[in-house]
Amino acid sequence: KAGVTQTPRYLIKTRGQQVTLSCSPISGHRSVSWYQQTPGQGLQFLFEYFSETQRNKGNFPGRFSGRQFSNSRSEMNVSTLELGDSALYLCASSSHLLNTEAFFGQGTRLTVV
Amino acid sequence: QKEVEQNSGPLSVPEGAIASLNCTYSDRVSQSFFWYRQYSGKSPELIMSIYSNGDKEDGRFTAQLNKASQYVSLLIRDSQPSDSATYLCAGPGDYKLSFGAGTTVTVRA
Repeated sequence: KAGVTQTPRYLIKTRGQQVTLSCSPISGHRSVSWYQQTPGQGLQFLFEYFSETQRNKGNFPGRFSGRQFSNSRSEMNVSTLELGDSALYLCASSSHLLNTEAFFGQGTRLTVV
Repeated sequence: QKEVEQNSGPLSVPEGAIASLNCTYSDRVSQSFFWYRQYSGKSPELIMSIYSNGDKEDGRFTAQLNKASQYVSLLIRDSQPSDSATYLCAGPGDYKLSFGAGTTVTVRA
């Protein structure tokens, strides 16, 4: 069974640009959550999608957005990139909302210069 | 607000010793807890799930859930240098999985 796939693995962008990250969950999983992790920081929750609907959102500015497609694949977009957006972006796949195991992809390391 | 808290600082243990990690949680009815291991520069990997009160053992790892005291713990027996990583606990939060801040474990050879 294939795991969670995130693309791309690495990205270098310039301030002011926008970026789109992709996440393909485990087959059959309908929930995808996104997290930001900066050095020395814990996992900061961005948002969660289930059946193409955003079910929960963390405390991030509107520059961060996402969506989920009918095949459960999800994308997140960050517009007007800032240096502070440099981080490891992780998506996690679950079979259901709440109280279930979440499996992480390998992450996308974004560097903003 | 339901959340999981992991307050212990870095933990350094000699090879072969037991490493003990703890988390507390706020919601009395929470039943599902998870432990993740994250190596530096890598993504978190699920290593243990526990759904009922008591102990669950998997190889050198034992997860413990104490609902009366609202804490969940992870014991790593016979610690190896390869166990050096950050360990994250997770449990039900407000409409999402809540992660602790993580405990960095260093196993000294």
